Amino acid sequence: KNQVEQSPQSLIILEGKNCTLQCNYTVSPFSNLRWYKQDTGRGPVSLTIMTFSENTKSNGRYTATLDADTKQSSLHITASQLSDSASYICVVSANTGANNLFFGTGTRLTVIP
Amino acid sequence: DAGVIQSPRHEVTEMGQEVTLRCKPISGHNSLFWYRQTMMRGLELLIYFNNNVPIDDSGMPEDRFSAKMPNASFSTLKIQPSEPRDSAVYFCASSLTGISQPQHFGDGTRLSIL
Repeated sequence: KNQVEQSPQSLIILEGKNCTLQCNYTVSPFSNLRWYKQDTGRGPVSLTIMTFSENTKSNGRYTATLDADTKQSSLHITASQLSDSASYICVVSANTGANNLFFGTGTRLTVIP
Repeated sequence: DAGVIQSPRHEVTEMGQEVTLRCKPISGHNSLFWYRQTMMRGLELLIYFNNNVPIDDSGMPEDRFSAKMPNASFSTLKIQPSEPRDSAVYFCASSLTGISQPQHFGDGTRLSIL
């Protein structure tokens, strides 16, 4: 069964600290993996998209890693800021059929001063 | 440059009423997606269109839901009749071409069915 699981469900960190969010998936055959940031009351915004051959991709202070063998991805946030408080959603695309997007339920990150 | 525009932002209506949600995708984008988001189930893809044609509606929960895309700049998602369990945030997104391209989301319509 194609599934995407994220951990932790929620996380609270101090401003300036680093953190890592996890995404494990069982989606097959794999096409790509995306991380989205969703601010409260807004739509998700794409942070990174990674294909099978990519094992790391950065977007400013956000760095995503992908291990296609173990089917794990992580999103690392460096020097967190208050504006990083949001939900982070992992989405995995399968390389079959039309409706082939599988969503994690997200990690809720709160950065406190 | 304008992003995906959804209306209304909020809708509160009574059970049994018809609800119509509207979406204007980014100009030049050929694919449009409707999503539903709830606390329990997260984001769910309901239906998507390529070049105004519905490609996959397997995510539409039941016959009470219907979506149309009469032209490249407008789409509607209709619920008739609405039920309390339809309460959720409904997002529209668009991409240049296809489901694998980066998707740009609107800010959603928060729907409450009483």
